[in-house]
Amino acid sequence: TQLLEQSPQFLSIQEGENLTVYCNSSSVFSSLQWYRQEPGEGPVLLVTVVTGGEVKKLKRLTFQFGDARKDSSLHITAAQPGDTGLYLCAGRNYGGSQGNLIFGKGTKLSVKP
Amino acid sequence: NAGVTQTPKFRVLKTGQSMTLLCAQDMNHEYMYWYRQDPGMGLRLIHYSVGEGTTAKGEVPDGYNVSRLKKQNFLLGLESAAPSQTSVYFCASGRQGVVNTEAFFGQGTRLTVV
Repeated sequence: TQLLEQSPQFLSIQEGENLTVYCNSSSVFSSLQWYRQEPGEGPVLLVTVVTGGEVKKLKRLTFQFGDARKDSSLHITAAQPGDTGLYLCAGRNYGGSQGNLIFGKGTKLSVKP
Repeated sequence: NAGVTQTPKFRVLKTGQSMTLLCAQDMNHEYMYWYRQDPGMGLRLIHYSVGEGTTAKGEVPDGYNVSRLKKQNFLLGLESAAPSQTSVYFCASGRQGVVNTEAFFGQGTRLTVV
């Protein structure tokens, strides 16, 4: 069983601060995705990274895929209260069934005004 | 656009009762998934399907069965519910054959087993 370890589990910061969330594994993944989930809703995709070393930006969010395709990070610049939510990373194992999408436990972010 | 629809949204069961959760998607997706979400545990994959008539076990399949008789529907069954199955259940669907395919989620079913 491949595991995706996310850290930190909880993060509470003030508006305007920067933060980084990590997603690590001992397994190689064909792709890693980041989802955001709000209370009472299902997760919604933010980004997919496919190539080792890839960096993608989505407004104030920067996503990076590790060179070895075993880890990823999400950096948020100047966090806003609207960024509050549960951030989940998800991966498909390399060479295995593309249907097997595994999630980490998530990072619960709270941004206070 | 309906997307992924889960039925029911809430349910309370007594220990030992059975029930079926229904997931329907209207996006013609090949892949469908059932997850459970518990506090501090993230999303754990129960079963998934890569096409009509096929199913496979995920991380936590024990106590659950699934069927994919029609492409658009994925059923999750609990034959004899236990309090440990109290959770929020999410269904998702996605396209086949694309390494970066997005998973589209339903709004969840909150199940309580007493």
